[in-house]
Amino acid sequence: DAGITQSPRHKVTETGTPVTLRCHQTENHRYMYWYRQDPGHGLRLIHYSYGVKDTDKGEVSDGYSVSRSKTEDFLLTLESATSSQTSVYFCAISEAPSSRTDTQYFGPGTRLTVL
Amino acid sequence: AQSVSQHNHHVILSEAASLELGCNYSYGGTVNLFWYVQYPGQHLQLLLKYFSGDPLVKGIKGFEAEFIKSKFSFNLRKPSVQWSDTAEYFCAASGGNQGGKLIFGQGTELSVKP
Repeated sequence: DAGITQSPRHKVTETGTPVTLRCHQTENHRYMYWYRQDPGHGLRLIHYSYGVKDTDKGEVSDGYSVSRSKTEDFLLTLESATSSQTSVYFCAISEAPSSRTDTQYFGPGTRLTVL
Repeated sequence: AQSVSQHNHHVILSEAASLELGCNYSYGGTVNLFWYVQYPGQHLQLLLKYFSGDPLVKGIKGFEAEFIKSKFSFNLRKPSVQWSDTAEYFCAASGGNQGGKLIFGQGTELSVKP
C-alpha cells in the first residue's frame, strides 16, 4: 500500500464549527486530491494540488478550502461545517497522472458526521 | 459536461457465475478509463486502467475490461466470480493532461453468494 495516512479517521462535529482534515503522504508524489464519497454519487473531487502552494477547485468545492505548504501534507478545511458535508472523505496521490504507468492511490478515508 | 455512468447499482451473483458491469462515459477528447474496487471497510484499489492501445485491458484478480470507443463504454468482466469479490466497483475517467482529475460513476455494489 502507498504511504498515505489521513487524520482523524472519524470525527463528529456540530453545524457551524470549523473542521480540518489532514492527508499525509510519504511517497513524495506531486499531485494530491481530496474526494468525498456519498451513496449514489460515487466519489466527487473537491480540490486538488499539483505542487506546493498550487491548488485548484474540483467538482464540488463550495464550502471547502485547501492548503499545501509541504509536499507531504494536504489539508482540507470546512470553514463552517453543515449537515450536507457529512460524508466519507478520501485523499489520493499521484506522481504523473498523464502517464500510462501512473496510478492514483487512495488513503483510508475519514468519516465525518456533522450534527 | 463530462460524466461517467454505471448502469447497475446492485448486482447479486452466485459463485462461479460470470460478471459484467456496465460503464459509459461522456468525454470530449482523449480519455483515460479506470476501474476501482472498494472492499467493505477498505479504501479504493485500482483494478485496471486504459490509456491507449489494445482496447482489451487485463487487471488484477482475473478482471478485464474492454474499451469500445463507438459505444463510449468500458465494461468490466470476470468469467467466474468468487465470494471474495463482494465489494463496490467504481468506473472512473480522466481527460488527457487534466492533472489526473477523476470523474467517478455512481458505483455498483456486487454481492456474491457462496
